This record gives sequence, structure tokens and C-alpha cells, in this order.
Amino acid sequence: AQSVSQHNHHVILSEAASLELGCNYSYGGTVNLFWYVQYPGQHLQLLLKYFSGDPLVKGIKGFEAEFIKSKFSFNLRKPSVQWSDTAEYFCAVNAASGGSYIPTFGRGTSLIVHP
Amino acid sequence: EAGVTQFPSHSVIEKGQTVTLRCDPISGHDNLYWYRRVMGKEIKFLLHFVKESKQDESGMPNNRFLAERTGGTYSTLKVQPAELEDSGVYFCASSPTSGKGNIQYFGAGTRLSVL
Repeated sequence: AQSVSQHNHHVILSEAASLELGCNYSYGGTVNLFWYVQYPGQHLQLLLKYFSGDPLVKGIKGFEAEFIKSKFSFNLRKPSVQWSDTAEYFCAVNAASGGSYIPTFGRGTSLIVHP
Repeated sequence: EAGVTQFPSHSVIEKGQTVTLRCDPISGHDNLYWYRRVMGKEIKFLLHFVKESKQDESGMPNNRFLAERTGGTYSTLKVQPAELEDSGVYFCASSPTSGKGNIQYFGAGTRLSVL
């Protein structure tokens, strides 16, 4: 079975600070990896995804994530956050082969950015 | 293009009452998914429709939950009778394809509070 662990449940930053949100997964096979974001009052939307190829993935709004297979990690980063990045962030994984195609989500990380 | 819409956005009911949640997927998406997030926990899969058929309902908690998708368009999720532990945010998602590489598009969720 797949599982996802997000280490930081609440993060508070000032504008222009750098961000790194941790995500580790547990699954023995090949995986697809996702980061979703939910801004206040809005729908959950895809920030970025990794299926194969370059392990450094660029997403929308200046976000990026790096897949490190040996560490089973897919951490989300942004060099300089803005107030508008205040949102909840979810890491998710599904099996690229074998296993379940339904994504397994982490508990989410609530990010608050102070202006 | 309209996204996934869910109605209502909030629902407050008393224990023992019935509540029906509705999801309108993106037009043309055959695949529709229901998820639930209990406060502070993971987003957990409930079930998956392909058109009007239930492809996977392994995540449905118990027989108080009934999901339908008559005609393969919108879906409803009924909880009858509601219990306190049913409180949470219910998300709906849709995708044009299913399988391991599919991208799911989410709605904003329905926040259900059972008192």
C-alpha cells in the first residue's frame, strides 16, 4: 500500500522567505508524484507533477519540486514566497505500475505568509 | 471552461439527519471521484465512477453513504443518517481518462458539519 508523509503541518513565513515543504512516500514500485494547492475558498488545483524524466520539476507560480528516488522524497520549494502563496499544500502519489492508480494524499501543510 | 463544481459549499446538520452533496464534473469527463478529508487528516478516496458505473467503491466508509451518477453526468453523495464522525470536507474530482497517468481536476469541496 502507498502512504505519504508531510512533515510540516503548519508553516508561517514572512514575504520573500524561502520555502521548502517536505514530502516522503512509501511504495516499493515506480510512482507518479503530485503537489496540489488549495487557496482559501478555492478548488484544489494541481501545482506540479512528476511522471518520469528530469527529477527537478517546475510548476506554476514559481514552485518547483525535486524527486529524489533514493530518499523516497518529493519536496516542494519556492525561493521567495509571496502573501498570495498562503494556502494549504498537499503531496500525493500513485503507482505508475502495479498498485493503485488512485492517488494517496498526505495530511497537508498549511502555509501562512505574512506581508 | 467551467471547472468541477460542488454544492453546497457548506452544510450544517444534526446527527440523524440526511444530507445530499452534489458534484458537477467538467463537461466530457467520464471519470468522477469522491474524496473526504476529516479535519487535519489526509484526503481519502471514497469511490470512482466511470460514466454511470461504479468502478471502485472500496473507500466508502459504510452503508450510510450512497453515491449515484445517473446518466453519467453529475453525481450525488447521500449520507443517511449522518453521524458526528461524518464531519469533514468532501471533495469531488473528475478526469477525462483513468489509470495511472491521469490528472484529476478537483472542486472546492463541501464542508459538512454534523452536530
